[in-house]
Amino acid sequence: EDKVVQSPLSLVVHEGDTVTLNCSYEVTNFRSLLWYKQEKKAPTFLFMLTSSGIEKKSGRLSSILDKKELFSILNITATQTGDSAVYLCAVEIGTGTASKLTFGTGTRLQVTL
Amino acid sequence: GAVVSQHPSRVICKSGTSVKIECRSLDFQATTMFWYRQFPKQSLMLMATSNEGSKATYEQGVEKDKFLINHASLTLSTLTVTSAHPEDSSFYICSAHPGGTYEQYFGPGTRLTVT
Repeated sequence: EDKVVQSPLSLVVHEGDTVTLNCSYEVTNFRSLLWYKQEKKAPTFLFMLTSSGIEKKSGRLSSILDKKELFSILNITATQTGDSAVYLCAVEIGTGTASKLTFGTGTRLQVTL
Repeated sequence: GAVVSQHPSRVICKSGTSVKIECRSLDFQATTMFWYRQFPKQSLMLMATSNEGSKATYEQGVEKDKFLINHASLTLSTLTVTSAHPEDSSFYICSAHPGGTYEQYFGPGTRLTVT
């Protein structure tokens, strides 16, 4: 059975702190790993990772994938209250033209003043 | 970026009635659309994968006769919750995939409450 596990489940930090969110996976037919941010509505896309060791950055957020150890991390530096959300990791699995996403349970991040 | 809409955004219905939710890709053609369900404080669970012009593929444990999916065109998929019960109350989210190496694009979700 395909599994995606995120840790920690929840986290409370002060504004300005740096956080690291973890995602490990055990799946067959891995294609890519994606990170999403979810506030009150549907998830918004952050990153898609397909290759090991190549960091992707967007502002204060960055992410990297390790396909040998089967995990990814999402870093957020200089956190702000607007970063408070649930961060979801999803693994795309599939063969040929068919693929689907399996989501982890998410990490609930709260950034306080 | 690619935009996916869902309608309605919120619906309240009585137990035993059916509810239809629409998912549209507004500026691209989606070879595949996905339907997810999310209960409070839980993650997204894939319900079914829908390809235009063919029958949907349902995940284990999802009743296909209860959750009817129609993917009539490359820009529209519908999910009908038939004979809804209070335990069907949930947040239903669709996503659309244009194919290739692009990611899935999510709709804003539909909150269904069955009384």
